[in-house]
Amino acid sequence: RKEVEQDPGPFNVPEGATVAFNCTYSNSASQSFFWYRQDCRKEPKLLMSVYSSGNEDGRFTAQLNRASQYISLLIRDSKLSDSATYLCVVNVAGNTGKLIFGQGTTLQVKP
Amino acid sequence: NAGVTQTPKFRVLKTGQSMTLLCAQDMNHEYMYWYRQDPGMGLRLIHYSVGEGTTAKGEVPDGYNVSRLKKQNFLLGLESAAPSQTSVYFCASRDRQGGNQPQHFGDGTRLSIL
Repeated sequence: RKEVEQDPGPFNVPEGATVAFNCTYSNSASQSFFWYRQDCRKEPKLLMSVYSSGNEDGRFTAQLNRASQYISLLIRDSKLSDSATYLCVVNVAGNTGKLIFGQGTTLQVKP
Repeated sequence: NAGVTQTPKFRVLKTGQSMTLLCAQDMNHEYMYWYRQDPGMGLRLIHYSVGEGTTAKGEVPDGYNVSRLKKQNFLLGLESAAPSQTSVYFCASRDRQGGNQPQHFGDGTRLSIL
């Protein structure tokens, strides 16, 4: 079983749609959680950290359920520019900052 | 502010050749990492460093060596390149303070081994 699992998609949605991505992680000792965005042939960039109480940044909402070892990302009012691969990322090794990456979920927003 | 810079951006090697990938960061970060990314897979950690003069193995270290002689530089070496090492390589750095600090990535090196 992979340490961090995501549905690879692709998710094809029209502009303005709401879309949700899910991610599960296997290590209950995981401490920090992130969503990164990766555009085609580019480097990953931090989209947002995920906090236990859930957090929102504009159209993006992240949720964490430690009991179920589950992370989600909700994108409201999708834009064409949201088309990318979204990586679920978990820090399992304390302060050395080692990250475990999911394989990513591809989103394609269509006009 | 350049952030994390990787050189070269592209390279084609023949099997058995050696090369070194350079990662430089100007953010005074303590921690640095080398990853590889292959189609259909997430980024996998090759080696990492928590400070000048220290290195440690990651998930897929075989066939690679690293050095961190200066805080700002993290070098990844391939002693005898193999076709299985064809990949996109990303370097990242992170501030030492707090487990919730994000990693900052370079824009990658695309390496093909023939």
